[in-house]
Amino acid sequence: DADVTQTPRNRITKTGKRIMLECSQTKGHDRMYWYRQDPGLGLRLIYYSFDVKDINKGEISDGYSVSRQAQAKFSLSLESAIPNQTALYFCATSDFGTSGTPGRNEQFFGPGTRLTVL
Amino acid sequence: AQSVTQLGSHVSVSEGALVLLRCNYSSSVPPYLFWYVQYPNQGLQLLLKYTSAATLVKGINGFEAEFKKSETSFHLTKPSAHMSDAAEYFCAVSYAGKSTFGDGTTLTVKP
Repeated sequence: DADVTQTPRNRITKTGKRIMLECSQTKGHDRMYWYRQDPGLGLRLIYYSFDVKDINKGEISDGYSVSRQAQAKFSLSLESAIPNQTALYFCATSDFGTSGTPGRNEQFFGPGTRLTVL
Repeated sequence: AQSVTQLGSHVSVSEGALVLLRCNYSSSVPPYLFWYVQYPNQGLQLLLKYTSAATLVKGINGFEAEFKKSETSFHLTKPSAHMSDAAEYFCAVSYAGKSTFGDGTTLTVKP
């Protein structure tokens, strides 16, 4: 079974609709992230969470919100979807690690959600 | 602040030829550097990482990268390309639990 799962895998919606993308992980990691990928722009960080009570904005958080329901679950919401939010969305997790040095450990990615806003 | 620049959004090589994907970074602190690969319709997966141990890092599938502080580079190489190497490759720099990704390089392998 996949360690990081995302639902749905594909979604087509209309402008103004509220959309929730869900992410679950079985890796036992404290840190979770939401990114969007657009062609030629790499991955851009939307929100991240270092534990259940910690939520932080990334570089492109406008128009998005998140909820960390449990250590294993991190949801991304688009309150009122617009066409320029059409993109591929990825959830990722990371372990703080035993080194005590933040950032040392790699991220583990889900398979992505392809969202189209008409 | 950290940033990453990948030179060349598209690289095309023949099967069996050397693969060289370029990455330059900017970091105000000693960096942790990563290369990830993305195959079509999949998420990213780790190829290799530099975490201040050996400057030459070996990864999966025959890839390796060399950390050069003087050049602020972390280029990815593979001596002989396979058709299965066709994918998009991302360089990333990490600090305080957050990663900054380059724009990606699409590698095409011609038969």
